[in-house]
Amino acid sequence: ETGVTQTPRHLVMGMTNKKSLKCEQHLGHNAMYWYKQSAKKPLELMFVYSLEERVENNSVPSRFSPECPNSSHLFLHLHTLQPEDSALYLCASSQDSGSGAKNIQYFGAGTRLSVL
Amino acid sequence: GQNIDQPTEMTATEGAIVQINCTYQTSGFNGLFWYQQHAGEAPTFLSYNVLDGLEEKGRFSSFLSRSKGYSYLLLKELQMKDSASYLCAVRGNSGNTPLVFGKGTRLSVIA
Repeated sequence: ETGVTQTPRHLVMGMTNKKSLKCEQHLGHNAMYWYKQSAKKPLELMFVYSLEERVENNSVPSRFSPECPNSSHLFLHLHTLQPEDSALYLCASSQDSGSGAKNIQYFGAGTRLSVL
Repeated sequence: GQNIDQPTEMTATEGAIVQINCTYQTSGFNGLFWYQQHAGEAPTFLSYNVLDGLEEKGRFSSFLSRSKGYSYLLLKELQMKDSASYLCAVRGNSGNTPLVFGKGTRLSVIA
């Protein structure tokens, strides 16, 4: 148990569906992240939120829409996805988003997404 | 550009020692992390190096040479449960850019 919980663990959706991924952290952290993990590729950073403000958007298509209503919760809203978006989506949190500290990121177990 | 290289797969025998290497080229350097990820589970933090040298934590040790852009993770007294992917990640120095990850090394421990 890492203190970061993601739901659902598995999701199958059609290309015309709208769904949301949820992440909740119980660590009192101020920064939260979305990553995409595809087979045989490195973890790809998608979005970074610090104190509920988006501080990084790594050229992610607009069919992925993040939302951070408070420092403990992070959502990823999905609409009109493509089959190539099938992947493991990981959420992480850390004390803050700065680069000058040890600032360990703690990950959730991910949502395995399949787009048909 | 930023690049992290590590072997794709390794196999080692239970009770043995294995060394997983990682080389990196990044825009600045503010620390190197190793994570362990079992299939279907969250990556979990193993170690952090920001200065040159060896950091030891039980059966696991991590080494860093900043001048060579090189790190390794050393696993001693291997156990079957150590079969997992090991991710090397580097933090650069550009503001809010958190971590750049390698593709991971899948380690299989055999009897």
